[in-house]
Amino acid sequence: GQSLEQPSEVTAVEGAIVQINCTYQTSGFYGLSWYQQHDGGAPTFLSYNGLDGLEETGRFSSFLSRSDSYGYLLLQELQMKDSASYFCAVSAGNKLTFGGGTRVLVKP
Amino acid sequence: DGGITQSPKYLFRKEGQNVTLSCEQNLNHDAMYWYRQDPGQGLRLIYYSQIVNDFQKGDIAEGYSVSREKKESFPLTVTSAQKNPTAFYLCASSTRGGGGTGELFFGEGSRLTVL
Repeated sequence: GQSLEQPSEVTAVEGAIVQINCTYQTSGFYGLSWYQQHDGGAPTFLSYNGLDGLEETGRFSSFLSRSDSYGYLLLQELQMKDSASYFCAVSAGNKLTFGGGTRVLVKP
Repeated sequence: DGGITQSPKYLFRKEGQNVTLSCEQNLNHDAMYWYRQDPGQGLRLIYYSQIVNDFQKGDIAEGYSVSREKKESFPLTVTSAQKNPTAFYLCASSTRGGGGTGELFFGEGSRLTVL
């Protein structure tokens, strides 16, 4: 089977930097994705890492180490609108398996 | 505009009734998925389909059924055999299997409540 671990909750102030770690166990691993979900809404895709290293997209960056079965999402210059849940997801066997999610609360 | 349409947005059901949730996409995507989300939890895969007339069970398929007769449509039936069906149901699609780009496009979800 597949399993993913990520922290349940993180709190930070506006302008700060937050790192959300994700460790996984899976067979047939292709890559690691990150999704954002606001309360009551649908998840939206943020990033995908198929190879080791850092991918940067604006204020958000994502990192993958395949040898360590580990990745993280880095949120920089936090804004109030970044308050949401963030999910890592592993691609394996033509499907995506999601972690339990990390709730990020941004305070003024 | 291209996207995924789920209906109904809210649905109430009495115990013992089957209900069908609709999912239609006009993105010309081959793969489609159904996930279930409980409050404060992650998404769990119910069923997925890579091509028309073919689908596979996900991690929590018991009590659910699907069909994929058309590329655009992937309806989910929640049967009376599902013991705890109250949840938020999300349909998604991708250009190919999730192992490709890791990018799924989600509908707005259907919230099912069993009375």
